[in-house]
Amino acid sequence: GESVGLHLPTLSVQEGDNSIINCAYSNSASDYFIWYKQESGKGPQFIIDIRSNMDKRQGQRVTVLLNKTVKHLSLQIAATQPGDSAVYFCAEDNNAGNMLTFGGGTRLMVKP
Amino acid sequence: NAGVMQNPRHLVRRRGQEARLRCSPMKGHSHVYWYRQLPEEGLKFMVYLQKENIIDESGMPKERFSAEFPKEGPSILRIQQVVRGDSAAYFCASSQKGRDSPLHFGNGTRLTVT
Repeated sequence: GESVGLHLPTLSVQEGDNSIINCAYSNSASDYFIWYKQESGKGPQFIIDIRSNMDKRQGQRVTVLLNKTVKHLSLQIAATQPGDSAVYFCAEDNNAGNMLTFGGGTRLMVKP
Repeated sequence: NAGVMQNPRHLVRRRGQEARLRCSPMKGHSHVYWYRQLPEEGLKFMVYLQKENIIDESGMPKERFSAEFPKEGPSILRIQQVVRGDSAAYFCASSQKGRDSPLHFGNGTRLTVT
């Protein structure tokens, strides 16, 4: 869903631990999903994407899981590093328009 | 290997002035999107353009805002008679084939209206 202007939810993890960031999407017609990472003062950076015909996709240190039954998306980061500290957004393509719809974001803070 | 280029990075305008934000997409990309972001919030879609055409402007205010992507040159987002509520970060993104392909974002233009 979209942010309503509240402070971003924050996930704080210890360096080296695994991180799991969750996202709920609202449109059951959405068939393409992307995770973005945004560092302070920069634009969103593509991390990984997944199509609705898959339920899991792995990249380098990252895994995206898609549960279409409950409309839930998660991003797992293995062995989290200080450089992973950022705000993470999920985005969905709802198959009706021409744009991605972004969720409200989660701030990941990595403690050394 | 340049990514999406936006300029200026920071823009300060007084109320009532015009703001022009420019975006050059990645090489080979003909689809351009503009998004707006307020502090501590997600990105809100404004407009989607292909060369010389506006495909979807459903997220853009009907008044004072306009966008173009000419045959030659960058895409321009234009805000006339700016108000304080226009202060935000404006991000441009491009993609190679539109739907079902990831958007690649620039680093944004931060507009401050005084």
